Amino acid sequence: AQKVTQAQTEISVVEKEDVTLDCVYETRDTTYYLFWYKQPPSGELVFLIRRNSFDEQNEISGRYSWNFQKSTSSFNFTITASQVVDSAVYFCALSGSSGGYQKVTFGIGTKLQVIP
Amino acid sequence: DVKVTQSSRYLVKRTGEKVFLECVQDMDHENMFWYRQDPGLGLRLIYFSYDVKMKEKGDIPEGYSVSREKKERFSLILESASTNQTSMYLCASSPLGQISNYGYTFGSGTRLTVV
Repeated sequence: AQKVTQAQTEISVVEKEDVTLDCVYETRDTTYYLFWYKQPPSGELVFLIRRNSFDEQNEISGRYSWNFQKSTSSFNFTITASQVVDSAVYFCALSGSSGGYQKVTFGIGTKLQVIP
Repeated sequence: DVKVTQSSRYLVKRTGEKVFLECVQDMDHENMFWYRQDPGLGLRLIYFSYDVKMKEKGDIPEGYSVSREKKERFSLILESASTNQTSMYLCASSPLGQISNYGYTFGSGTRLTVV
């Protein structure tokens, strides 16, 4: 069975602060994919990033960066110099080879509030 | 611009009513999914479909059914709505065999209230 744990249910930061959203996963698959999605107040989940289990390189995209560590089964997401537009619910998710990669298991989400 | 469209943004229905939630995608995706989203529980998979007239149960199918008569349309049916089905319902789609590359494309959601 797959499981994704996002221990932080809500985080508040002041604008321009850095913030890290934690994600810990469990899977028996040796090949799997990890995702982060953003859900702004409008409701639509937006795909941010995918990472496969063989690629532990960290990734940076503008103010966003992701740290994948298989040793700790974690895939953390950092927003640098946060902005009000970053306020949203962020979901970490996992799909594995045992499910043919077709099914995605989501965490419960972390609600981020950036205060101006 | 690729899209997944859910027919209603907000719905209010009475207990015992039959409710249809519609989802249409214009990307020629084979896979379509229905999730419900509840505070503290995240997204939970109700049903999914890999092809026309094909369906598979997800993690919480009880009280729901689905229909996929055309590739682009995936309907979620609440046969007899109950108050515990009050939730946000999210539809998603993905190309067959390529979810690992692209993830899902989601609709904007339907917030259903059963009174």
